[in-house]
Amino acid sequence: DAMVIQNPRYQVTQFGKPVTLSCSQTLNHNVMYWYQQKSSQAPKLLFHYYDKDFNNEADTPDNFQSRRPNTSFCFLDIRSPGLGDAAMYLCATSPGRFITDTQYFGPGTRLTVL
Amino acid sequence: AQTVTQSQPEMSVQEAETVTLSCTYDTSESDYYLFWYKQPPSRQMILVIRQEAYKQQNATENRFSVNFQKAAKSFSLKISDSQLGDAAMYFCAYRRRETSGSRLTFGEGTQLTVNP
Repeated sequence: DAMVIQNPRYQVTQFGKPVTLSCSQTLNHNVMYWYQQKSSQAPKLLFHYYDKDFNNEADTPDNFQSRRPNTSFCFLDIRSPGLGDAAMYLCATSPGRFITDTQYFGPGTRLTVL
Repeated sequence: AQTVTQSQPEMSVQEAETVTLSCTYDTSESDYYLFWYKQPPSRQMILVIRQEAYKQQNATENRFSVNFQKAAKSFSLKISDSQLGDAAMYFCAYRRRETSGSRLTFGEGTQLTVNP
């Protein structure tokens, strides 16, 4: 089945140690999003790619970076994780950026920072 | 800035009964969509239902329906004949129409428990 896949589902890293989260999709969608969802809070958009164009949210910390080497894959890099970066990270895709384009979410990666 | 508020962190319902989840939002825009997303435990978030602001008729998807009150900026979700599989976190979300795309703004969620 076509879907959004996130690996790993659970990631543990040490304070300050770079970590990369992975997202892949078989939907051939143009847009890929990364959200941060802290415990008991709303998902918050970090950035998105429209094809190869990177779109950063104004309040996303510089510590968070992203790469999209091809249509299918998108990576979230956290250069120096702090304790406050512990969260669920959700990847989503959509065919385009029209208001009617539904976003399809992956199951998320839960990041623990020790 | 747009905000979405879900004032009920937790709700519970008996199986086969009806439950209503509340959502209010704040915006100065007139052209936007509202959404309800469902996030089951350890599974991906999926779209349940959406409503276009210009449509007065409330959206319905099988057992799920909304009560959209544009003037009051209220967007509640009614789940009829609740099933055990409806247990999940439910997020209300807002998206305004922009030519270059726009973000989904989520509320903080309502955790729904369905009791057998």
